[in-house]
Amino acid sequence: AQKITQTQPGMFVQEKEAVTLDCTYDTSDPSYGLFWYKQPSSGEMIFLIYQGSYDQQNATEGRYSLNFQKARKSANLVISASQLGDSAMYFCAMSDLYGGSQGNLIFGKGTKLSVKP
Amino acid sequence: DGGITQSPKYLFRKEGQNVTLSCEQNLNHDAMYWYRQDPGQGLRLIYYSQIVNDFQKGDIAEGYSVSREKKESFPLTVTSAQKNPTAFYLCASKPGQGNYGYTFGSGTRLTVV
Repeated sequence: AQKITQTQPGMFVQEKEAVTLDCTYDTSDPSYGLFWYKQPSSGEMIFLIYQGSYDQQNATEGRYSLNFQKARKSANLVISASQLGDSAMYFCAMSDLYGGSQGNLIFGKGTKLSVKP
Repeated sequence: DGGITQSPKYLFRKEGQNVTLSCEQNLNHDAMYWYRQDPGQGLRLIYYSQIVNDFQKGDIAEGYSVSREKKESFPLTVTSAQKNPTAFYLCASKPGQGNYGYTFGSGTRLTVV
């Protein structure tokens, strides 16, 4: 069955340092997409970064990069140069087309990131 | 600007009442979704619709109902059969059959009083 696991309920990072948020996934479908979303206290879901299963290179979007290790089924989010505004919940999610999720997004339980000044 | 509008932002329901949460999108997306989020938890899929006049149950559909009479609208009704409806509800949409391009609304926070 499709599953997303985020093992870090909460993380602290010092402002201006880098932080890695862990995510592992499970699917039998060779074609899938991996997503990271940020959810501030207001509740909106902000899309950060996407990695397709066939993408050869790790995705990057500004200060966000996705460390994609396909054999380990790992899709960790790296945030460089943390800012106070990065404090939020972060969710890893997956969508596969022909596996159990049928194109629907399934989410991990999230990691609460707190950035210290 | 294109996007998804959810209303109301806050909703209070008395026990035994049905309430309907609105979700409207002007992105011309084919697929629409309803998710429920409990405090400190991830999102769980309630219902989804890939095309007009068709929808499927997600993982936690019991106590909820939906309709998809128009492409741009996907309202969610929380019925009295839903025993623990207090939660944050998020609507999302996606273009077509691919696994990319999801857009989320800003959510409705439902509280049973």
